[in-house]
Amino acid sequence: DAGVIQSPRHEVTEMGQEVTLRCKPISGHDYLFWYRQTMMRGLELLIYFNNNVPIDDSGMPEDRFSAKMPNASFSTLKIQPSEPRDSAVYFCASSLPGPSNTEAFFGQGTRLTVV
Amino acid sequence: RKEVEQDPGPFNVPEGATVAFNCTYSNSASQSFFWYRQDCRKEPKLLMSVYSSGNEDGRFTAQLNRASQYISLLIRDSKLSDSATYLCVVILNDYKLSFGAGTTVTVRA
Repeated sequence: DAGVIQSPRHEVTEMGQEVTLRCKPISGHDYLFWYRQTMMRGLELLIYFNNNVPIDDSGMPEDRFSAKMPNASFSTLKIQPSEPRDSAVYFCASSLPGPSNTEAFFGQGTRLTVV
Repeated sequence: RKEVEQDPGPFNVPEGATVAFNCTYSNSASQSFFWYRQDCRKEPKLLMSVYSSGNEDGRFTAQLNRASQYISLLIRDSKLSDSATYLCVVILNDYKLSFGAGTTVTVRA
């Protein structure tokens, strides 16, 4: 398996533009997580899905952020409109269900810069 | 109060030294505990799970103290390749992984 695949790896956009980040989880993994990492705040969970259904989106900063998982092999995180404070590394991770299988496998991340 | 707190370090140690650091968690109902490792500009990867009885994986030893609500990681005989940020992870009963901000370890020659 190729692991969790994220695209793009790097994104530079102007303030006010829409940004869409993409993630393909590991096949067979029921859980998908979106994290944001900054120097100031560390790794923050934004939202996670179980079997394509959003379970907890309490970490989504505000209405400018939205996430979807239309099927088991694809998820998107959208920011509209983007702001400079959204600049961060965004990670997608997937895992199997069950406390004994909760190793989360991370993608390589998308480094977002909003100027 | 943050769910998971770590001493950010950095811990600068010579090769061959032993280094240890802790992580505290706020929710006594937390069920599972892990240490992840993150190299510079890379994604986090699982280092080891932390079991109630404590566990070892080669030069790495993890301990859990439920009474005081902390977990620890000890690295023996440090190698240059151990230089990384070590992230403490705590899971409640909903499979949501809560990460600490990380402890940076630098091993020098």
